[in-house]
Amino acid sequence: AQSVTQPDIHITVSEGASLELRCNYSYGATPYLFWYVQSPGQGLQLLLKYFSGDTLVQGIKGFEAEFKRSQSSFNLRKPSVHWSDAAEYFCAVVTSGTYKYIFGTGTRLKVLA
Amino acid sequence: KAGVTQTPRYLIKTRGQQVTLSCSPISGHRSVSWYQQTPGQGLQFLFEYFSETQRNKGNFPGRFSGRQFSNSRSEMNVSTLELGDSALYLCASSLEGLEQFFGPGTRLTVL
Repeated sequence: AQSVTQPDIHITVSEGASLELRCNYSYGATPYLFWYVQSPGQGLQLLLKYFSGDTLVQGIKGFEAEFKRSQSSFNLRKPSVHWSDAAEYFCAVVTSGTYKYIFGTGTRLKVLA
Repeated sequence: KAGVTQTPRYLIKTRGQQVTLSCSPISGHRSVSWYQQTPGQGLQFLFEYFSETQRNKGNFPGRFSGRQFSNSRSEMNVSTLELGDSALYLCASSLEGLEQFFGPGTRLTVL
């Protein structure tokens, strides 16, 4: 069965530091990949997506992610974190033909001033 | 363009009751998906409707049901509520089903 793993439940970084959130998926073919962010009490906002093509994708708020087929990974990065980035981040996979999202368990990001 | 709206935003019910949640998708979107979010289970897919037909279904009991109307608005119904149904219920809309845009959610508390 398809699955998504976000190994880090909590991450704390200082404001201005770089950030990398890990995401690994289990699926035979290349899935569609997404990163979402959720602020407390809110819905999910799409940060970026990968369908095909260039493996480095740019998103909103200065985020980027790199798809690595050999590692079944789709890690999210940001070169300099802002205090407003504190939130929970979810990686999601959609297997082709299903339109059924499988979410990781999320990574809660804390930003120190 | 208006985003996905969900009503009500908050609900308190007691065990055994039933509840109906509503979702209005982004104009032009034909796909509506529903998710349950809890601290213990995370985000779990309930079902997806496309052009008034249920296209995908998650692993939830039959107490959870939904429907979609001709204007793409969707409702989700939970019957015979249990304490464990307390959750944030998220609706997401999409043009075809792939790139989904989420609403703010309905927080359901079952007492």
